[in-house]
Amino acid sequence: DVKVTQSSRYLVKRTGEKVFLECVQDMDHENMFWYRQDPGLGLRLIYFSYDVKMKEKGDIPEGYSVSREKKERFSLILESASTNQTSMYLCASRSTGQVTNQPQHFGDGTRLSIL
Amino acid sequence: KQEVTQIPAALSVPEGENLVLNCSFTDSAIYNLQWFRQDPGKGLTSLLLIQSSQREQTSGRLNASLDKSSGRSTLYIAASQPGDSATYLCAVNSGGYQKVTFGIGTKLQVIP
Repeated sequence: DVKVTQSSRYLVKRTGEKVFLECVQDMDHENMFWYRQDPGLGLRLIYFSYDVKMKEKGDIPEGYSVSREKKERFSLILESASTNQTSMYLCASRSTGQVTNQPQHFGDGTRLSIL
Repeated sequence: KQEVTQIPAALSVPEGENLVLNCSFTDSAIYNLQWFRQDPGKGLTSLLLIQSSQREQTSGRLNASLDKSSGRSTLYIAASQPGDSATYLCAVNSGGYQKVTFGIGTKLQVIP
């Protein structure tokens, strides 16, 4: 089974801090994703990466950056945390393979609170 | 722009009942559709993936169908159990391989 591991389940930070969320997958997947999930809004894509050092903006990249130095690890960075970034953050990975039959696999999520 | 709607938003059923969850989408040019389960405060667990060329997929008590022409998918759960209580989300992959649009989910409660 695919294992996607997010480093923290719960995190509390202060406004203005630089925050790092880490995600590691063990299935050699090329593609990795960061989403945030908010009540009534569902999951929204922040960034994704299709290879080491490659990244693409998703729907809501403002205030975030990412890093992918190794294939198995994808980091989300909040450059200067703000209270509106309080949310559930979900990491996912997916193989490239055949386009139509590759499922996304998710981690357990990080509940981030910015005070 | 793809839009995904799940109705109802919440559902409560007695144990043992068969039930259907609905997902509709606006753009029928999809790669695949995936159903997930999410327990409170947790991540998403993949249940079933239906490719665009398929009509249905089955796993145990779960059966998912896809009708691209009408922009609909259903998730059928047979003989529901209290352990099935969770939020079920549908996700549509379209408009670019990495573009996945999620519904907000249906919160299911199975009453013992």
